[in-house]
Amino acid sequence: GDSVTQMEGPVTLSEEAFLTINCTYTATGYPSLFWYVQYPGEGLQLLLKATKADDKGSNKGFEATYRKETTSFHLEKGSVQVSDSAVYFCALSDRGGTASKLTFGTGTRLQVTL
Amino acid sequence: GAGVSQSPSNKVTEKGKDVELRCDPISGHTALYWYRQSLGQGLEFLIYFQGNSAPDKSGLPSDRFSAERTGGSVSTLTIQRTQQEDSAVYLCASSYRDRGPGANVLTFGAGSRLTVL
Repeated sequence: GDSVTQMEGPVTLSEEAFLTINCTYTATGYPSLFWYVQYPGEGLQLLLKATKADDKGSNKGFEATYRKETTSFHLEKGSVQVSDSAVYFCALSDRGGTASKLTFGTGTRLQVTL
Repeated sequence: GAGVSQSPSNKVTEKGKDVELRCDPISGHTALYWYRQSLGQGLEFLIYFQGNSAPDKSGLPSDRFSAERTGGSVSTLTIQRTQQEDSAVYLCASSYRDRGPGANVLTFGAGSRLTVL
């Protein structure tokens, strides 16, 4: 079945450091890929997405590129801020372009310090 | 409503009791999802409703779990004869598009935290 594997956290960085959170997936067909973020005390919200190979999703300074050859969708940000402290979830949908259930990774907690 | 509303926000119950969790999706959203978030387990898919189609129940962990969606809007997740391993945060989400670029863009509620003693 479909699965998503994320690097284990917590990830602790100083403000302005470079962030990478690794995500790899296993799926049949042509999935869409997502990053969701859960800020402390809040519900999950979509951060960015990519619907086909080589697409780059971006939002709030975060980027992730859909790499079919390596089945990866790593999340990056050039300079993190304290306000980026949250739990980040990588996810895929098994049918790109149509509504279907999302399969999530276990989440990676990011802690950014001054 | 402005967002996905879930109730109760917290529920403590005794083992063996039944519980009902409610989800009120965003008005006009045709797709509704239930997930379970356990400590260190990520999000586990439970069930998915899309319009008038038969729901995808493939994630329900046992026959103690059931869900319905009335009138294409509000949904209730029912857990019968609760067990301690049912303790988790139950998340509801909805989306307004069933295909195209907006598909699978889920808006989540804040969740219902269930504790089974």
